[in-house]
Amino acid sequence: QKEVEQDPGPLSVPEGAIVSLNCTYSNSAFQYFMWYRQYSRKGPELLMYTYSSGNKEDGRFTAQVDKSSKYISLFIRDSQPSDSATYLCAMCRYGNKLVFGAGTILRVKS
Amino acid sequence: NAGVTQTPKFQVLKTGQSMTLQCAQDMNHNSMYWYRQDPGMGLRLIYYSASEGTTDKGEVPNGYNVSRLNKREFSLRLESAAPSQTSVYFCASSSSSGGVLGSGANVLTFGAGSRLTVL
Repeated sequence: QKEVEQDPGPLSVPEGAIVSLNCTYSNSAFQYFMWYRQYSRKGPELLMYTYSSGNKEDGRFTAQVDKSSKYISLFIRDSQPSDSATYLCAMCRYGNKLVFGAGTILRVKS
Repeated sequence: NAGVTQTPKFQVLKTGQSMTLQCAQDMNHNSMYWYRQDPGMGLRLIYYSASEGTTDKGEVPNGYNVSRLNKREFSLRLESAAPSQTSVYFCASSSSSGGVLGSGANVLTFGAGSRLTVL
């Protein structure tokens, strides 16, 4: 079993939809949770970063962590075609190396 | 701001050939990493360097060697390429104090990738 599980998709939604991207994990020691966005033929770039449980909002993006369920989510409101990318969750213990999910391909249709 | 620069962007090799992927960062980061990305597998760590002068194996180090030439540069070498090494390779760096084992979250800045095909 992988430490971090992520549905690879692809997930296809119409423009303006609310998108929910999710990851589950098995290591209860993980404390830092991140979402990276990767456009086609580019390197991943950090989108959002949260520590421990709770929500964090940045514009149209909300990251949610539920440590009791070992489940993290990224919500995208009013999705745009420019949001079409692969979204990778990543997490780590205190000061340790990141463990990545396999990535979910998102396509937002105009 | 160049960030993390990788060369070459594309390379085709024959089985058994050798090559070196180059990576340089201009952010004064302590730690540098090499990942490979394959469909359905996500990013897997090959080698990392917590600080200048140190290197350590990651999850999938077999068939690779690395050199941390100085604080800016971290190269990845394939001594005898195999078709299983066909992949997209990403270099990354982070500023985490004390390197990989330092405090806080390990936030990475990635290069644009090097697409390698081994025939």
